Amino acid sequence: GQQLNQSPQSMFIQEGEDVSMNCTSSSIFNTWLWYKQDPGEGPVLLIALYKAGELTSNGRLTAQFGITRKDSFLNISASIPSDVGIYFCAGQLRTGNQFYFGTGTSLTVIP
Amino acid sequence: EPEVTQTPSHQVTQMGQEVILRCVPISNHLYFYWYRQILGQKVEFLVSFYNNEISEKSEIFDDQFSVERPDGSNFTLKIRSTKLEDSAMYFCASRQGNYGYTFGSGTRLTVV
Repeated sequence: GQQLNQSPQSMFIQEGEDVSMNCTSSSIFNTWLWYKQDPGEGPVLLIALYKAGELTSNGRLTAQFGITRKDSFLNISASIPSDVGIYFCAGQLRTGNQFYFGTGTSLTVIP
Repeated sequence: EPEVTQTPSHQVTQMGQEVILRCVPISNHLYFYWYRQILGQKVEFLVSFYNNEISEKSEIFDDQFSVERPDGSNFTLKIRSTKLEDSAMYFCASRQGNYGYTFGSGTRLTVV
């Protein structure tokens, strides 16, 4: 299967700080998704990206589809305690309809 | 907001037993998926289902696994003879068109 590497693997930040994480692959993807997963719950879609270079926001979250189509970035501004969770990227190749998930970034926000 | 519903939320089964995990996708969605997540690991694709047949499956989805849409609303995953390593969270997902999946809350399967 496809390998999507997320970094950092984990982050510990103070409330109010901004957060940046990224997802990289050796393959070219057609679609990038960003999900947040709380413990014991299913992933919840945050942002979907469909074109290279696309920059999309959802409240305090902003994600970008990398120009090379091999990466994507997620930023969270002014973090709050409820941002705690694991953030997964997911990419879809041009062929096939499954999404491949990244390794996840665990975010801890310290009040 | 429409939801994908999964039952049961937690199932404990003896090794070698058959289990059926159930999902009710969002009603106007056309594509259905099963994923699994072993504790602490990433979400892994198992199978996709469209137009009443499997459209894609991963190497994890071997002969022990099967999927069915028995009545137009439910979407089930059957594991014929469970192994210890089948213990994981199993997530059902559905989507309409090109937009991202909607995931259910998952079924935690524990094989003992």
